Amino acid sequence: AQSVTQPDIHITVSEGASLELRCNYSYGATPYLFWYVQSPGQGLQLLLKYFSGDTLVQGIKGFEAEFKRSQSSFNLRKPSVHWSDAAEYFCAVGADSNYQLIWGAGTKLIIKP
Amino acid sequence: DAGVTQSPTHLIKTRGQQVTLRCSPKSGHDTVSWYQQALGQGPQFIFQYYEEEERQRGNFPDRFSGHQFPNYSSELNVNALLLGDSALYLCASSFGTPWEQYFGPGTRLTVT
Repeated sequence: AQSVTQPDIHITVSEGASLELRCNYSYGATPYLFWYVQSPGQGLQLLLKYFSGDTLVQGIKGFEAEFKRSQSSFNLRKPSVHWSDAAEYFCAVGADSNYQLIWGAGTKLIIKP
Repeated sequence: DAGVTQSPTHLIKTRGQQVTLRCSPKSGHDTVSWYQQALGQGPQFIFQYYEEEERQRGNFPDRFSGHQFPNYSSELNVNALLLGDSALYLCASSFGTPWEQYFGPGTRLTVT
């Protein structure tokens, strides 16, 4: 069965510092990979997606993610975080075998001034 | 270009009651998925509707049912509410690629 692991429940980063959020998935074939962001009490906003091709994908708000098949990972990065990036970040996986997205438990990003 | 809209925003119900949540997809989208998100957790897939039929269902009891209308909007119905049904209910729409989903703001359901 597919699964998604986000190992870090919370991450604290200073404003202006770089960020990397980890995501590992379990699936036999090439998955469809997504990162979403959720502000408190809000819905989910799609940051970026990977279907195929270039393994480094660019998203909105200056985020990027890299698909590493050998590590079954799809880590999210940002070179310099802003206070407005404080939110919860979710990694999700889709696959040809079904239509749903499988979600990680989320990583809460805290920004130190 | 309107995004995904959901109504109501908040809802308080009593155990045993029934509730209906509504969703209008993003313009041009024909597929609607529903998710339940408990506090501090990732979303859990309830079901997906396409061409007015339930295309796939997650691990939820039959108390959870849905409908999709010819204009692609959708309803989620929950019968015999339990305290554990308290959650944020998210609707997502898509077109073509069912996994690239765009979410509404959610409906916060509280069962007392």
